[in-house]
Amino acid sequence: GEDVEQSLFLSVREGDSSVINCTYTDSSSTYLYWYKQEPGAGLQLLTYIFSNMDMKQDQRLTVLLNKKDKHLSLRIADTQTGDSAIYFCAESKSGGYNKLIFGAGTRLAVHP
Amino acid sequence: NAGVTQTPKFQVLKTGQSMTLQCAQDMNHEYMSWYRQDPGMGLRLIHYSVGAGITDQGEVPNGYNVSRSTTEDFPLRLLSAAPSQTSVYFCASSHGQGTGGNSPLHFGNGTRLTVT
Repeated sequence: GEDVEQSLFLSVREGDSSVINCTYTDSSSTYLYWYKQEPGAGLQLLTYIFSNMDMKQDQRLTVLLNKKDKHLSLRIADTQTGDSAIYFCAESKSGGYNKLIFGAGTRLAVHP
Repeated sequence: NAGVTQTPKFQVLKTGQSMTLQCAQDMNHEYMSWYRQDPGMGLRLIHYSVGAGITDQGEVPNGYNVSRSTTEDFPLRLLSAAPSQTSVYFCASSHGQGTGGNSPLHFGNGTRLTVT
């Protein structure tokens, strides 16, 4: 999706923190999402943030939102091999109904 | 509770052939949608439906038809397959308006389609 941009690859060592970044273009987006895709599977919702929030923490996951710069990040603390997957950032367009616009996905590789 | 079920998992078509990708959900979700996933391009919305009898176009609708005769089923039809339609297709559903995490999109496991 040209409206949402992410870097394509990230490699981290097991136990380190991972930070996946995303930029979006629609300032009217109500919600911003992070989805995880494991090999051969569909996407699963990891977490989301409402546009009037700056930060959301959920166990090992921290989402930061900078509305001024239209920048979203996902931090995974203590990254494990099971975190290896493709992570998609998505924004909801106006009009509701989950008409999500996805980024191209960041492939996270966790190595020992 | 099966969630969102897509069939087939894999399909190979020749150019010009037609086929239907099946999608069914058992969660009584009003909203259903089809995405295609291509390398380096993320997921792009093909068609969506906000309820039985109602469908609308997404970003990339050309070459695809949909119908929604029941709440549960949302088939995607390729009338005359082209190599550009080689992709992985995902069906997704949710309750109502999709208010953040309260009614997120639930995805099927995808159909990998190759058109030769």
